[in-house]
Amino acid sequence: RKEVEQDPGPFNVPEGATVAFNCTYSNSASQSFFWYRQDCRKEPKLLMSVYSSGNEDGRFTAQLNRASQYISLLIRDSKLSDSATYLCVVNLRRQLTFGSGTQLTVLP
Amino acid sequence: GAVVSQHPSWVICKSGTSVKIECRSLDFQATTMFWYRQFPKQSLMLMATSNEGSKATYEQGVEKDKFLINHASLTLSTLTVTSAHPEDSSFYICSARGTSGAEETQYFGPGTRLLVL
Repeated sequence: RKEVEQDPGPFNVPEGATVAFNCTYSNSASQSFFWYRQDCRKEPKLLMSVYSSGNEDGRFTAQLNRASQYISLLIRDSKLSDSATYLCVVNLRRQLTFGSGTQLTVLP
Repeated sequence: GAVVSQHPSWVICKSGTSVKIECRSLDFQATTMFWYRQFPKQSLMLMATSNEGSKATYEQGVEKDKFLINHASLTLSTLTVTSAHPEDSSFYICSARGTSGAEETQYFGPGTRLLVL
């Protein structure tokens, strides 16, 4: 079983749509959680951290369920510029493990 | 935010040659640097972790004699792919973690694309 699993997609959605990504992780001792965004042929960039209480940053909402070892990312009112691969990332003992990413394409 | 640079950004070489990739933290001191490799449509895979002044710790399955890592200063780490072969063609990304701030904050370099012919 992969340490961090994501639906690879691709997700093709129209502008303005709401889209949700899911992620599960296998190690219950994992300590912190993140969503990164990676554009084609570029390095990953931190989008947001994920907390058990849920957190929101503009159009982006992240949720963590430690009991289910499940992480989600919700994007509202999607923009063309949101097209990218979204990586679920888990930190255990100061080492990051990346999911393989979910590809999103927002269509005009 | 913190900046990490990598050089070169891309390299094409013949099979059997060695390639050196530099990773620099530009505005902070990085006690720990990480080297990742990413094949197309796959996740970033950690190759090794290096701490300044000590030997790198390699992940299982990564040959330390093939991927030489040197972290001689708090702002520079190098990865040398020795005797590169076509299967080493990949996107190599470094990241650096500073001495202050959130412990899990890692700053990524822009990556180096390696193509071995």
